[in-house]
Amino acid sequence: QVRLQESGPGLVKPSETLSLTCTASGDSIGNHYWSWLRQTPGKGLEWIGYIHYNGNTNFNPSLKSRLTMSVDSTKNRISLTLSSVTAADTAVYFCARDWVTAGWLDPWGQGTLVTVSA
Amino acid sequence: DIVMTQSPLSLPVTPGEPASISCRSSQSLLHSNGYNFLAWYLQKPGQSPQLLIYLGSNRASGVPDRFSGSGSGTEFTLKISRVEAEDIGVYFCMQALQTPRTFGPGTKVDIK
Repeated sequence: QVRLQESGPGLVKPSETLSLTCTASGDSIGNHYWSWLRQTPGKGLEWIGYIHYNGNTNFNPSLKSRLTMSVDSTKNRISLTLSSVTAADTAVYFCARDWVTAGWLDPWGQGTLVTVSA
Repeated sequence: DIVMTQSPLSLPVTPGEPASISCRSSQSLLHSNGYNFLAWYLQKPGQSPQLLIYLGSNRASGVPDRFSGSGSGTEFTLKISRVEAEDIGVYFCMQALQTPRTFGPGTKVDIK
């Protein structure tokens, strides 16, 4: 059974870059697509984008200009970077396995809270 | 973007009684393969969302059969035949027909 674990700094300063990783255990990163999502009390759940091992990506247009995703197959993990953050990027960030051609996300990681504040 | 709406947003329930949540999309979620790309999730307090229903009406592995999904096109329903205390949390619908994937605002289910 695949398990996902997000990790990264819990506090990022405004205008700086947010960097998170999602490590998978129990399954190979290379076999699937992987999505990042975030959740705030105000905006609810927001899909950030997905990446496949082969580098194929699909990003939410609302974040695309600030977003990078990558895959590290040696460590079986994916990474997210979001540049020029503001308080509006404060959220709980999740990674999830994305069954792109079948239409669902499962499972999800437990999530990690990132606060943008000086 | 496809806009997802849910009703009600709050649903007090009595254990043993049925419950129903509605989800509507601004565009049809019917894929050319004949399936509706609509999923339901439950987010229990302090946890991440867990998949309940995929492709509109298919229960995910391990999901009790008291949960059922129905609907097609733009209107979908999640039903719980007999609510149990462990079913409390926030229920979300999500469309995966197009990117960006979008979610409903959530329906908070708690015990009366």
